[in-house]
Amino acid sequence: ETGVTQTPRHLVMGMTNKKSLKCEQHLGHNAMYWYKQSAKKPLELMFVYNFKEQTENNSVPSRFSPECPNSSHLFLHLHTLQPEDSALYLCASSQWMGGVGTGELFFGEGSRLTVL
Amino acid sequence: QQPVQSPQAVILREGEDAVINCSSSKALYSVHWYRQKHGEAPVFLMILLKGGEQKGHEKISASFNEKKQQSSLYLTASQLSYSGTYFCGTESDSSYKLIFGSGTRLLVRP
Repeated sequence: ETGVTQTPRHLVMGMTNKKSLKCEQHLGHNAMYWYKQSAKKPLELMFVYNFKEQTENNSVPSRFSPECPNSSHLFLHLHTLQPEDSALYLCASSQWMGGVGTGELFFGEGSRLTVL
Repeated sequence: QQPVQSPQAVILREGEDAVINCSSSKALYSVHWYRQKHGEAPVFLMILLKGGEQKGHEKISASFNEKKQQSSLYLTASQLSYSGTYFCGTESDSSYKLIFGSGTRLLVRP
């Protein structure tokens, strides 16, 4: 496989469920990101990991819990979500050169989440 | 703070030109441009760094005016394949988080 792969592509869950989104990148990158894309809002940065270390939490509610076990895998654990959390969750990766700024992002196709 | 894009939507005939603008209230380090087709992932177009550099990518080019904290994306002789939503993303000098604008929907008709 190539690029950035996200699973599942679609997920429907109740407000009391616990589920996880998975992202895997095959590009050899060292930085990974979670973005949220809602119908009426722009792409919202959620979390950033550089070399497996979380470097950014953009004021995301604790019901979203990221995990980055290695530079190729990123998870988003979900629990007790709200209907307004329904959105497309996009994972991305990039090659962080150690300086400032975000390089070119390679996005996955996203996981479409519906919370009932 | 989220950059502001204009226009929100534009419809073109094949072969026509378009300009999409992106502005920020903060001093910028970089501006990124992405295109997203319906049901697909956003795809990188280009990055412009502080320094007023203009970049080109086939018939799509962009400029960055750091004094005005503005960037413009130029699409010339548009093709049907240019249809999609264009997002600008900005990073400020004080916070190197890539923040995206609301997007500009572009539709190119035959």
